Amino acid sequence: EAGVAQSPRYKIIEKRQSVAFWCNPISGHATLYWYQQILGQGPKLLIQFQNNGVVDDSQLPKDRFSAERLKGVDSTLKIQPAKLEDSAVYLCASSKPQDSPLHFGNGTRLTVT
Amino acid sequence: KQEVTQIPAALSVPEGENLVLNCSFTDSAIYNLQWFRQDPGKGLTSLLLIQSSQREQTSGRLNASLDKSSGRSTLYIAASQPGDSATYLCAVDTGRRALTFGSGTRLQVQP
Repeated sequence: EAGVAQSPRYKIIEKRQSVAFWCNPISGHATLYWYQQILGQGPKLLIQFQNNGVVDDSQLPKDRFSAERLKGVDSTLKIQPAKLEDSAVYLCASSKPQDSPLHFGNGTRLTVT
Repeated sequence: KQEVTQIPAALSVPEGENLVLNCSFTDSAIYNLQWFRQDPGKGLTSLLLIQSSQREQTSGRLNASLDKSSGRSTLYIAASQPGDSATYLCAVDTGRRALTFGSGTRLQVQP
């Protein structure tokens, strides 16, 4: 089966600019996650979707970050305006509803200068 | 709030050695625990998933154990190979399917 697809692979922007990341999960996976991984740390959950609905966005900085999942398939994560501390790898993952491992994409490496 | 700690942060071993990676978590009320592998510039690959009712899981040269009451898990790698070099992350699911990760152990296996 095809894996989780993410684009772009790399992005360099200046602070205060905006950026968007795209994710296409594995077909049939109802649950989709966005994680932020800062260098040297483990991933931290930003938002979790179940089909179209948001399950958990408690750690999403909502003043600058937004995410949507259209038609329960693809998802986009947006940052506006970006800050230096947003430099990280943004990982998308998907899974079946219960008792199955998460499948991760290769991530988007964001550098904010 | 669940916190996950991994020790050591980095490990370098000669090829062929058996090794143990450690993971501890503060809240024993977990649904499952997963071990992942991350290669440089790549996403995470799931290695083993242990349900809270299980004590261990095995896949090839990998064996993961879980002691929920003490808040600990170990990943045992037998007969290590240079291809095992990567960062290994453990993560716990407290039942909401959102994982809390440790910072990982960076493993280097010397040929």
